[in-house]
Amino acid sequence: KNEVEQSPQNLTAQEGEFITINCSYSVGISALHWLQQHPGGGIVSLFMLSSGKKKHGRLIATINIQEKHSSLHITASHPRDSAVYICALIQGAQKLVFGQGTRLTINP
Amino acid sequence: DTGVSQDPRHKITKRGQNVTFRCDPISEHNRLYWYRQTLGQGPEFLTYFQNEAQLEKSRLLSDRFSAERPKGSFSTLEIQRTEQGDSAMYLCASTPVTAPYGYTFGSGTRLTVV
Repeated sequence: KNEVEQSPQNLTAQEGEFITINCSYSVGISALHWLQQHPGGGIVSLFMLSSGKKKHGRLIATINIQEKHSSLHITASHPRDSAVYICALIQGAQKLVFGQGTRLTINP
Repeated sequence: DTGVSQDPRHKITKRGQNVTFRCDPISEHNRLYWYRQTLGQGPEFLTYFQNEAQLEKSRLLSDRFSAERPKGSFSTLEIQRTEQGDSAMYLCASTPVTAPYGYTFGSGTRLTVV
C-alpha cells in the first residue's frame, strides 16, 4: 500500500463547478504540500499545511492530522485550473513523498 | 534570482550514451533535491544535498547515476550507459535552511532514451 493515496485519479468537470481532491496518508508527517503541475512538467507549490485550513483566492486546503487526511478545494473552477494536482508528504525536514496526482480537466 | 533553473529542458539520447543535467537552485537555498517522475506517476526521491554534502540517496539511484554539488551551489546529475527505463522527467528542487519545508521546484529536464 502506498504511503499516500489520492482520489480521484482523474476528474473532469464543467466550468464553475466546486472541485474537491482528496489525499489520505498512512505515516506520520511534519507537513503536507499541495502542488500543481501543468503540461511541460513545472511544479508549483500551492499550499504547505501542518494543521487546519488555508485559503488563497479560489483555492482552499484543509488537513486533519488525526485522521491523516487532507483535501484541496477549488471554487468557481475555470479551464485554466486544468492541471495535475499532487499531494506530497514531508517527513522530517527532508524529502517529499508524493501521491500519484489527480488529473483535473475543466471544460468551458 | 529567477528561481530554480534546470538545463537542458529536453534531452533525447541513444541507449548507452551518458547524459548530464544541471540544476541551479535559488542562491540562498542550502538544500537541493533531485526527483524522477515517470509518465502518469508522482515524482520519486532520488537524492539530496545540504550544501555540498550528499546526505541521502534512494535505492532508485543505481550505480549508473551520480550526483554532485561541488561548491554547494549548482548540482549535476549524470546518468551513464542510459537505458530506455531511464526515460523520465528529472526534477530539481531547493529549500532554504530557514524554511526547510518551503520547496521551490525547477521546470525539470525531460529525458527520452531511444
